[in-house]
Amino acid sequence: KNEVEQSPQNLTAQEGEFITINCSYSVGISALHWLQQHPGGGIVSLFMLSSGKKKHGRLIATINIQEKHSSLHITASHPRDSAVYICAVREDSNYQLIWGAGTKLIIKP
Amino acid sequence: DVKVTQSSRYLVKRTGEKVFLECVQDMDHENMFWYRQDPGLGLRLIYFSYDVKMKEKGDIPEGYSVSREKKERFSLILESASTNQTSMYLCASFRTGLWAGELFFGEGSRLTVL
Repeated sequence: KNEVEQSPQNLTAQEGEFITINCSYSVGISALHWLQQHPGGGIVSLFMLSSGKKKHGRLIATINIQEKHSSLHITASHPRDSAVYICAVREDSNYQLIWGAGTKLIIKP
Repeated sequence: DVKVTQSSRYLVKRTGEKVFLECVQDMDHENMFWYRQDPGLGLRLIYFSYDVKMKEKGDIPEGYSVSREKKERFSLILESASTNQTSMYLCASFRTGLWAGELFFGEGSRLTVL
């Protein structure tokens, strides 16, 4: 079993829809990262969370430490949000990162 | 702005050649990583370093070596390139400790070995 599980693997939605991507993990962590990668592009950090909730524009990230679960929400989705969204956790026992497999999001106009 | 800069965006090399991939970050980060990214396999850790002259093997270190002589620079070396090392190589860095923060990636170096 993977230590970091993302769902769904693939998501197609219409422009304007509210999007939720989930990340569950099984290890103790010091931080959780959400990152974005556009097709053919580099990886960009969206959020780093250790508790609670963060918001940046139309993106919202939440984390529940007790349940070992995080969600990334996109409000009023737009075709330019089409990308792979990746969850990664930083274990609290070492410096390494454990990566989710990514969620491929396609927003249709 | 924090910047992680990789020396080459695209490289084409021949089998057996020695390949150097350089990564430089300008924010005094302790931790630096080299990953390769292949379709369907996601990100796989090759090596990481948590301090100058320190290095640790990741999940797929075979065929690679690294060098961290200065804090800002982390080099990936392919001693004798092979076709199965054709891939996108990504460098990343972050700070730990009291000021632990975001993870930053370079733009990537796409290596083709012929």
